[in-house]
Amino acid sequence: GNSVTQMEGPVTLSEEAFLTINCTYTATGYPSLFWYVQYPGEGLQLLLKATKADDKGSNKGFEATYRKETTSFHLEKGSVQVSDSAVYFCALLNTGFQKLVFGTGTRLLVSP
Amino acid sequence: SAVISQKPSRDICQRGTSLTIQCQVDSQVTMMFWYRQQPGQSLTLIATANQGSEATYESGFVIDKFPISRPNLTFSTLTVSNMSPEDSSIYLCSVRTSGDYEQYFGPGTRLTVT
Repeated sequence: GNSVTQMEGPVTLSEEAFLTINCTYTATGYPSLFWYVQYPGEGLQLLLKATKADDKGSNKGFEATYRKETTSFHLEKGSVQVSDSAVYFCALLNTGFQKLVFGTGTRLLVSP
Repeated sequence: SAVISQKPSRDICQRGTSLTIQCQVDSQVTMMFWYRQQPGQSLTLIATANQGSEATYESGFVIDKFPISRPNLTFSTLTVSNMSPEDSSIYLCSVRTSGDYEQYFGPGTRLTVT
């Protein structure tokens, strides 16, 4: 079946530190991959996506590369800000099944 | 993209009562979904709302408990029936636009059942 595994949080960083949140997936076929962000008290926002192998999605300084050989889609940012504190969800969409599958979410806490 | 609004944004309800949540989208969309997010947890798909026909429910969710309507391509409702404290969650409406595979989420309805 389809599944997404994320690193457990919380991830605690100081402002301007480098961020990596690991995400690996299991899927049949060729899924599209997504990162969503949920700020406190809000719904989910689509952060970035990649639809095929070796694609790099990027937005707001975040980026992730679709690695088929390692079935991974790790989220990175070179210099985090306090305002990046949120919960980050990795997700996949296998078009054959029409359902978005989420990881468990990783909470990021950035301190000044 | 799509802009989604939900009403109410939050509510506190007594056990045994029902609450209907509305979802309005600013454009016609092919697919609409309802999710539940329990405190500190990931999202669980409740059902896919089908326009003009019965919703498609995921395992563990039934129509009698979570009736869904979708009268047109921009609007849907989810009712949480005969509520118990275990139904306390955030309920999220979500849509997927045709042509791409991006899925968008509403701001959520925070429900507390006492």
